[in-house]
Amino acid sequence: AQTVTQSQPEMSVQEAETVTLSCTYDTSENNYYLFWYKQPPSRQMILVIRQEAYKQQNATENRFSVNFQKAAKSFSLKISDSQLGDTAMYFCAFILYNQGGKLIFGQGTELSVKP
Amino acid sequence: DSGVTQTPKHLITATGQRVTLRCSPRSGDLSVYWYQQSLDQGLQFLIQYYNGEERAKGNILERFSAQQFPDLHSELNLSSLELGDSALYFCASSDGPVGQGAGEQFFGPGTRLTVL
Repeated sequence: AQTVTQSQPEMSVQEAETVTLSCTYDTSENNYYLFWYKQPPSRQMILVIRQEAYKQQNATENRFSVNFQKAAKSFSLKISDSQLGDTAMYFCAFILYNQGGKLIFGQGTELSVKP
Repeated sequence: DSGVTQTPKHLITATGQRVTLRCSPRSGDLSVYWYQQSLDQGLQFLIQYYNGEERAKGNILERFSAQQFPDLHSELNLSSLELGDSALYFCASSDGPVGQGAGEQFFGPGTRLTVL
């Protein structure tokens, strides 16, 4: 069975500093996509960044970047220059390439950015 | 705004009742997905429809059913409701099944269901 584990239930960071959120996953498949979603207090699910498993280059989106280690099945999210608006629950998730759209989510990491 | 709409935003009902949640996908998206977010189970995939046909099924209870209509909107029907069904139900859409598109799912704002 495929699983996603986020080992940090809560984290905090000072505004303008850098924080890294951890995620590991387990699958025997080789083709999949990985995602980080953000859920602010409004409860809206917002895609932060995505990574195709066949790409070795780590994805980046402005202040957000990932460290994708396929062999270790690790997919961490780094947020640089943290802003108050980054305060949210962050979910790591993946989809197997050949199983439709079944997103499998981790339990989430609640990030607080402090002024 | 993701372009995915869900109605109603909030729903309060009693145990044993039946409710219908509605979702309209982004314009042009053929796939619709339903997820349940609860405190004890986290975010769980329920079911996916692609262009009117069931594509993938997750941990969806037999009391729950869904369908996608010719205009591509979808409905999730929950019956014989129990206290444990209280949750936030999300609909998401994408432009195709994984492997034929970006794999990115755009989420609606969710329907908050409270069963009393």
